Amino acid sequence: QSALTQPASVSGSPGQSITISCTGTSSDVGGYNFVSWFQQHPGKAPKLMIYDVTNRPSGVSNRFSGSKSGNTASLTISGLQAADEADYYCNSYTSRSTLVFGGGTRLTVL
Amino acid sequence: QVQLVESGGGVVQPGRSLRLSCAASGFTFSNYGLHWVRQAPGKGLEWVALISYDGSNKFYADSVKGRFTISRDNSIDTLYFQMNSLRTEDTAVYYCARGPYYDTRVVQHWGQGTLVTVSS
Repeated sequence: QSALTQPASVSGSPGQSITISCTGTSSDVGGYNFVSWFQQHPGKAPKLMIYDVTNRPSGVSNRFSGSKSGNTASLTISGLQAADEADYYCNSYTSRSTLVFGGGTRLTVL
Repeated sequence: QVQLVESGGGVVQPGRSLRLSCAASGFTFSNYGLHWVRQAPGKGLEWVALISYDGSNKFYADSVKGRFTISRDNSIDTLYFQMNSLRTEDTAVYYCARGPYYDTRVVQHWGQGTLVTVSS
């Protein structure tokens, strides 16, 4: 099972919006609405930010939103803040009843 | 609140075995699917295994299939990961994670991880 494809890095200034893409295949991202996004700060465990493509767990800021078109899912962060600087990973359920992660994207807030 | 506490990590030689444990609390353990996810030093997350709420279904990543075994004991709220024939590339922080109610298609809550180092 190949990892989902994410850009290695993205950056933005405080207050701006950024979007991170996550590209898979029809056997994972494109075939199911079980795409999640995780935020990970250095030395910490990942934190769920988006699940089932568009849903936010309670306590997660509405500045974080998710979407999907075909085999590509996206995470958008609006009103960038310094605290958003972290690594972000997408994740999808697959046709083999397994899960697969993206390679990760490092977000830098300039 | 949901708590997942991993233990059992350490330094082990290539070819040897190690068993990880994950003690759960704060929820009805037997109602939830569970996962192991690992992260090699400086690298990304890699999903490695899942087990259904009752232990009847288990799935593995190709990288560990045939060497690692996931299991659970619902009587003591504990998840296990038996790792045999360890390789240097298995060096990673291993996270225990929980899915939603009766569902193994999503990972929600994570433990803090335990470090496994495979080295001679």
